[in-house]
Amino acid sequence: DVKVTQSSRYLVKRTGEKVFLECVQDMDHENMFWYRQDPGLGLRLIYFSYDVKMKEKGDIPEGYSVSREKKERFSLILESASTNQTSMYLCASTVSGMRKTQYFGPGTRLLVL
Amino acid sequence: TQLLEQSPQFLSIQEGENLTVYCNSSSVFSSLQWYRQEPGEGPVLLVTVVTGGEVKKLKRLTFQFGDARKDSSLHITAAQPGDTGLYLCAVPNAGNNRKLIWGLGTSLAVNP
Repeated sequence: DVKVTQSSRYLVKRTGEKVFLECVQDMDHENMFWYRQDPGLGLRLIYFSYDVKMKEKGDIPEGYSVSREKKERFSLILESASTNQTSMYLCASTVSGMRKTQYFGPGTRLLVL
Repeated sequence: TQLLEQSPQFLSIQEGENLTVYCNSSSVFSSLQWYRQEPGEGPVLLVTVVTGGEVKKLKRLTFQFGDARKDSSLHITAAQPGDTGLYLCAVPNAGNNRKLIWGLGTSLAVNP
């Protein structure tokens, strides 16, 4: 069975802290994505990666960075957390090609105080 | 401006009722996907439609892709509380088909 796991379901951090969100997939997928989901704004793409060490900015990359050292693992880093980064963060993965399913993890609900 | 407009934004109905939600655009797409996101979980793919006019059924859910491939509908017959969730439509990003463009979703609550 396809599996995408995220390191935490809930996280509370203070403003200015460095925050690491980790995502692991067991499907040997080439592509991995980080989204944030906010009420009224939908799913917004932060970054994605199409291969190890390869990354592309999404629609809202400011304040975030990513790391993909191994194919199965994609990390999202908040260098200095701010209150406006309080959100639900969703990781997804997919194989390359047209019309492919994006498989999502359960999400991390991050609260920055 | 949203490329994909989903309507209604919110829907609250009683168990056993029928409903239809829509995903509309002025652009033509090669395919369209519907996902359902249950509370506290990530979205899960329900269906992919590819051909204009295509109809796909998944138990009590019927999906249709518009003839011109600009829009889609999802009809649920005899809704059940287990159908509660956020229904999202998504299409390939024409500039980079690794990425999807998402609608904002229809939030459905089915009350027992």
